[in-house]
Amino acid sequence: AQKVTQTQTSISVVEKTTVTMDCVYETRDSSYFLFWYKQTASGEIVFLIRQDSYKKENATVGHYSLNFQKPKSSIGLIITATQIEDSAVYFCAMREVTEGADRLTFGKGTQLIIQP
Amino acid sequence: GGIITQTPKFLIGQEGQKLTLKCQQNFNHDTMYWYRQDSGKGLRLIYYSITENDLQKGDLSEGYDASREKKSSFSLTVTSAQKNEMAVFLCASRRLNQAPLFGEGTRLSVL
Repeated sequence: AQKVTQTQTSISVVEKTTVTMDCVYETRDSSYFLFWYKQTASGEIVFLIRQDSYKKENATVGHYSLNFQKPKSSIGLIITATQIEDSAVYFCAMREVTEGADRLTFGKGTQLIIQP
Repeated sequence: GGIITQTPKFLIGQEGQKLTLKCQQNFNHDTMYWYRQDSGKGLRLIYYSITENDLQKGDLSEGYDASREKKSSFSLTVTSAQKNEMAVFLCASRRLNQAPLFGEGTRLSVL
């Protein structure tokens, strides 16, 4: 079973609007770490923002913010005032630390297209 | 600042060939990862290592070997390349609870 699920394959929005990308995860750990990455057209993977499971406040970095709903095992990425350069594939990832293991698992990604 | 360097950037192999990919980081990170990305798809974990000489299997370890002889380097071997295989292999590293950072990838094509 998939541990990190991104159900939106592709999203297209007009420049300067707000977009939300969904991600749900499965874990038995009480403490875990969630990350969002962006993969550009060149293939470069860039870290954007993180949420530690024990923190109640949603993380915000620049025009990226998170909607962390722990009871629903959900971590949505919100991009406000989108720009053409935000066009990319966005990956959600979860790091679980259990006895003898420390894995980082990715979702399949959501392609974001920003139209002028 | 540091850097994660993957070599080679492009690798063309023959069916059945043993191929080795290398990853070096100068961040002094403890944990390193190898992922495979097929065209238009997500990242699948092959191997990871939490310290020098440690190896942990991921979901896709069959057909691969890994080696972490030094803290700064992590190599991946495709034990027998499959005909028409095409994928990008991505190396990442992390210090403690920081977010993992990625190298630029090695693009593999098998003839």
